[in-house]
Amino acid sequence: DVKVTQSSRYLVKRTGEKVFLECVQDMDHENMFWYRQDPGLGLRLIYFSYDVKMKEKGDIPEGYSVSREKKERFSLILESASTNQTSMYLCASSFLFRGQPQHFGDGTRLSIL
Amino acid sequence: KNQVEQSPQSLIILEGKNCTLQCNYTVSPFSNLRWYKQDTGRGPVSLTIMTFSENTKSNGRYTATLDADTKQSSLHITASQLSDSASYICVVSANNDMRFGAGTRLTVKP
Repeated sequence: DVKVTQSSRYLVKRTGEKVFLECVQDMDHENMFWYRQDPGLGLRLIYFSYDVKMKEKGDIPEGYSVSREKKERFSLILESASTNQTSMYLCASSFLFRGQPQHFGDGTRLSIL
Repeated sequence: KNQVEQSPQSLIILEGKNCTLQCNYTVSPFSNLRWYKQDTGRGPVSLTIMTFSENTKSNGRYTATLDADTKQSSLHITASQLSDSASYICVVSANNDMRFGAGTRLTVKP
């Protein structure tokens, strides 16, 4: 089975801090994704990557950056955390972008105080 | 306006009963539609995926239907179990774009 592992289940940080969320997948998938999930809004795509060192902005990239130095690892960076970035963050991976189900991690619940 | 609308927002049913969740979409051009189940505190897990040419797909007690003409899909759960309590998310893909519904929160009570 595909496993997508997010490094932290819960994280509490302060406004203005630089925050790193890590995600690792073990199935050699080309594509990796970062979403945030807020009540009533569904999942919204922040960034995705279709190859090492490649990245594309999603729907809500402002305030975030990403890093993909190795195929199995995709990091989400909050450059200067703000309270409106308090959310559930989900990482996903897939072999093909289209037509394939994405495999999700269990999420990181991030609180910015 | 979200391009994928799910209804109802929440639903409570008794164990053993059947239920149907709805998904209407305006995403175009249509590529495929997926239903995910998300248990509390976990990531979504894929239940079914349907392309334009498929109008029904089953996965155990879960049956998804698709009407590409009316741009509607439904997820039918038969003989519900307590473990079916979760959020169910509809995702519609168009080319390289994916749109997520806000989900339906299902609670199955004993």
